[in-house]
Amino acid sequence: GAVVSQHPSWVICKSGTSVKIECRSLDFQATTMFWYRQFPKQSLMLMATSNEGSKATYEQGVEKDKFLINHASLTLSTLTVTSAHPEDSSFYICSARPGVAGPDTQYFGPGTRLTVL
Amino acid sequence: GQQVMQIPQYQHVQEGEDFTTYCNSSTTLSNIQWYKQRPGGHPVFLIQLVKSGEVKKQKRLTFQFGEAKKNSSLHITATQTTDVGTYFCAGQFTNAGKSTFGDGTTLTVKP
Repeated sequence: GAVVSQHPSWVICKSGTSVKIECRSLDFQATTMFWYRQFPKQSLMLMATSNEGSKATYEQGVEKDKFLINHASLTLSTLTVTSAHPEDSSFYICSARPGVAGPDTQYFGPGTRLTVL
Repeated sequence: GQQVMQIPQYQHVQEGEDFTTYCNSSTTLSNIQWYKQRPGGHPVFLIQLVKSGEVKKQKRLTFQFGEAKKNSSLHITATQTTDVGTYFCAGQFTNAGKSTFGDGTTLTVKP
C-alpha cells in the first residue's frame, strides 16, 4: 500500500517550453502533497505544499508563477514548470500524505528528472 | 529559520562495521522521520519517532529520539553492502506541518 506514482519519469525539453509533471497517490487519498527538488548529491528542498482544493503554499524563494501547482483531486497534483531554463534542470520529487486519519508520514514518488537544453 | 542538521555527510565503512548518523534541531520537534535513498532512487520511508526518548528497532537498524525531542540517531549494526545509500532525517516542528530534511548521510560499504 501507500504507492505514489509520478509521470513522466524523465523529460528533456528545449529552453522556453513548459513541462507538466503529475503526481498520483494510487491507493490512498492525499489531502496534502509536497513538491521537492533535489540537486545532485544534495538534500531535498521543499518547493511548495499543495492542499486539495486550495492554493499551494510556496517556500521562500520559489517563484509561484514559474512553478504552477494544481491539486485538483485527492489523488492528483501537478507541477508545471513554465518557460523552463537550463537552471531548472533538476530531480523533482513529489510526496503525498494520507488524510487526517492516516499516519503523519510522507510517501514519495519515484521522481522526475528534468533536463532543459 | 528552523533547520535540521545532520552529520556526518559521508561515512565509509568496511562490511561488518557499525554505522551511525545523527540529526539535531535547535528547537523541539513534533516528530522525526527517517528515509533511505538508494543511488539513483527516491527516498523510502523507514520509520517515524514521536515520543520523547523513543527507541525503535528494525532488524539491524536502531532509531532513537532524544528526551528533549531535539535530536535523533540511526544506528546500523554490522553493515552489509545492501545498506549503501543516503539516509535522511526529516523533522516536523508542528503536527501535520511540513517536514524539514537534513542534508543526509551517504553511506558506502566496502565488501
